[in-house]
Amino acid sequence: EVQLVETGGGLVQPGRSLKLSCVASGFTFNNYWMSWTRQAPGKGLEWVASITNSGGSTYYPDSVKGRFTISRDNAQNTLYLQMNSLRSEDTATYYCTRATMGITTGDYWGQGVMVTVSS
Amino acid sequence: DVVLTQTPVAQPVTLGDQASISCRSSQSLVHSNGNTYLEWYLQKPGQSPQLLIYKVSNRFSGVPDRFIGSGSGSDFTLKISRVEPEDLGVYYCFQATHDPWTFGGGTKLELK
Repeated sequence: EVQLVETGGGLVQPGRSLKLSCVASGFTFNNYWMSWTRQAPGKGLEWVASITNSGGSTYYPDSVKGRFTISRDNAQNTLYLQMNSLRSEDTATYYCTRATMGITTGDYWGQGVMVTVSS
Repeated sequence: DVVLTQTPVAQPVTLGDQASISCRSSQSLVHSNGNTYLEWYLQKPGQSPQLLIYKVSNRFSGVPDRFIGSGSGSDFTLKISRVEPEDLGVYYCFQATHDPWTFGGGTKLELK
């Protein structure tokens, strides 16, 4: 059974940093692209970052480019999201998702982890 | 950026009815490789989103055949025949043809 478990969320002050983790199980992690998608309270979904299966390429929308870094440790089956210079508008639930590239982009989702940016 | 416009914003239904959701894109979603990366997700109350449809019309594993995706170019539709209680929630379309990938604003399927 595919499982994605996110951790690392919490309350952080504007301008500070936070690192999220997502531990994957139930599939061969290094065969799949992975992504982060977020959802602000009561709002819709926003794609945040993606990484190739090898970790060699990463992709971001302009809203987080230069502040967020997606990475992965294939030996530990773990996906990361390093978030720097956090803003109040980054407050959201962050979901880890698996992609089967060329076919689907979010075939499995984690339960999500809440990040609150506030002073 | 590609803008996906979903209509209606809310769709009141009676159980057993058919429901239809539209997703219109600000530009064609046909990729240079010939594929159209348009997906549909359902977010049930209090849950993570779940994939229903990928590449316009392909049902993901375990998705009932009452969910039917169709369309081409920049105009797409999700039809749900015979709505059941577990179908209620917010539906999102999503495109991964153009960078940045983008979601529609969502359509809430709710009981009348």
